[in-house]
Amino acid sequence: QQPVQSPQAVILREGEDAVINCSSSKALYSVHWYRQKHGEAPVFLMILLKGGEQKGHEKISASFNEKKQQSSLYLTASQLSYSGTYFCGTEITNDYKLSFGAGTTVTVRA
Amino acid sequence: DTAVSQTPKYLVTQMGNDKSIKCEQNLGHDTMYWYKQDSKKFLKIMFSYNNKELIINETVPNRFSPKSPDKAHLNLHINSLELGDSAVYFCASSYGTSSPLHFGNGTRLTVT
Repeated sequence: QQPVQSPQAVILREGEDAVINCSSSKALYSVHWYRQKHGEAPVFLMILLKGGEQKGHEKISASFNEKKQQSSLYLTASQLSYSGTYFCGTEITNDYKLSFGAGTTVTVRA
Repeated sequence: DTAVSQTPKYLVTQMGNDKSIKCEQNLGHDTMYWYKQDSKKFLKIMFSYNNKELIINETVPNRFSPKSPDKAHLNLHINSLELGDSAVYFCASSYGTSSPLHFGNGTRLTVT
C-alpha cells in the first residue's frame, strides 16, 4: 500500500522552513525518510518506529503520529544542500516490504 | 570501498533482447532488494531476498527473474525486453525489517 506524500513540490529560500507530510490508509509499523539528489541513489535520513517518536538529523527532523497514521518531515533553516526529492517509505508490518510515496521535490534557492 | 555496487551503470538495448544486472554488497546485510524507478521518480519494490530466500515477489512479469547465489549478491535477469522496461533499477540492502536501506547507484536501462 503506497503512502501519500504532500506537497508534490516546494520551493524555498535559504533559511526558510518546510514540512513534508506522509500518510497511510493502514496502520504503520515504521516510517523511513530518504533524500535523492538528481542522478544519484536515495540516501537514508531517518527511521521512526511505532511509539510516536521524533528524530532529528542536523536541522532535519521527523515525527510519527500512529493514531493519524502519518509522519511529517521538518526542514528547518534550509540550506542549499537540502535540495532534492524526499521520499517517505512505510512498512505495514515487519515483512521486509518498504513501499515508497511519490516523492516531494524540494528546491532551495540562495 | 563501495557498500552496494551495481553493474552496469548504463544499459542500452533493443526490444526482445535479454540482459542482466548484477549487485553486490559488502555491508554484511541479510536482506537485498530490487527497486524500479520510473520516469516520474516513483520507486516500486520488485523483489526482496533474505539470506538467499525470496521473500517478496511483487506483481512483476515473469520475464524478470532474480537470483541470489549468496547473501552478498543479488542479480536480475530480464528476458524479452520491452519499451516499458526502460527505467532506473536500484539494488538495495539492509539488516532486515525496520532497518535503513542502502542503495546502489542504479542501472539506467534504456530499451529502444
